[in-house]
Amino acid sequence: GQNIDQPTEMTATEGAIVQINCTYQTSGFNGLFWYQQHAGEAPTFLSYNVLDGLEEKGRFSSFLSRSKGYSYLLLKELQMKDSASYLCAVRDLGGSTLGRLYFGRGTQLTVWP
Amino acid sequence: KAGVTQTPRYLIKTRGQQVTLSCSPISGHRSVSWYQQTPGQGLQFLFEYFSETQRNKGNFPGRFSGRQFSNSRSEMNVSTLELGDSALYLCASSLNSDSEAFFGQGTRLTVV
Repeated sequence: GQNIDQPTEMTATEGAIVQINCTYQTSGFNGLFWYQQHAGEAPTFLSYNVLDGLEEKGRFSSFLSRSKGYSYLLLKELQMKDSASYLCAVRDLGGSTLGRLYFGRGTQLTVWP
Repeated sequence: KAGVTQTPRYLIKTRGQQVTLSCSPISGHRSVSWYQQTPGQGLQFLFEYFSETQRNKGNFPGRFSGRQFSNSRSEMNVSTLELGDSALYLCASSLNSDSEAFFGQGTRLTVV
């Protein structure tokens, strides 16, 4: 089955850099997503990696290594508004799971002033 | 370009009732997936529709069902509601199986 692991909680201070790791095991990998979710709100799309390497988008970057089953989300110049849950999700095309996303439990990031 | 729209945003139902939730995907998107999110279980996959066909189903009882219309709008129905069905129900749309998935604001269902 699919297994997606990410730390439960992380804390950092304003202006700092934080890296949130995600490891996964899937049978038919077809992309890894990162979402940001503020309390009581819906997840917001941050990034999508399907090939190995680093994707940079402003203050946020996401890295993927398919051979290692590993990804990270890098947040630079942290702001208070970055306090949220960060969800790692893997799309698996194995067998009958076409188009399905498997989510980790989320990493609750708290940014302190 | 409008995002994914879910209605209603909030709903309160009593046990035993049934409920229908609606999702309008981003224009041009043909894939719609539904997820249930609870504090204890996180995001759990319910089902996925593509071009009016259910392509995938999660491990939920038969009380949970859905459908997709020719305009790609999708509905999800839960019958004989139980207290444990209280959750945030999220809909995600994508162009196809290989593209980014975007979520709607969700419908928060409370069963009393």
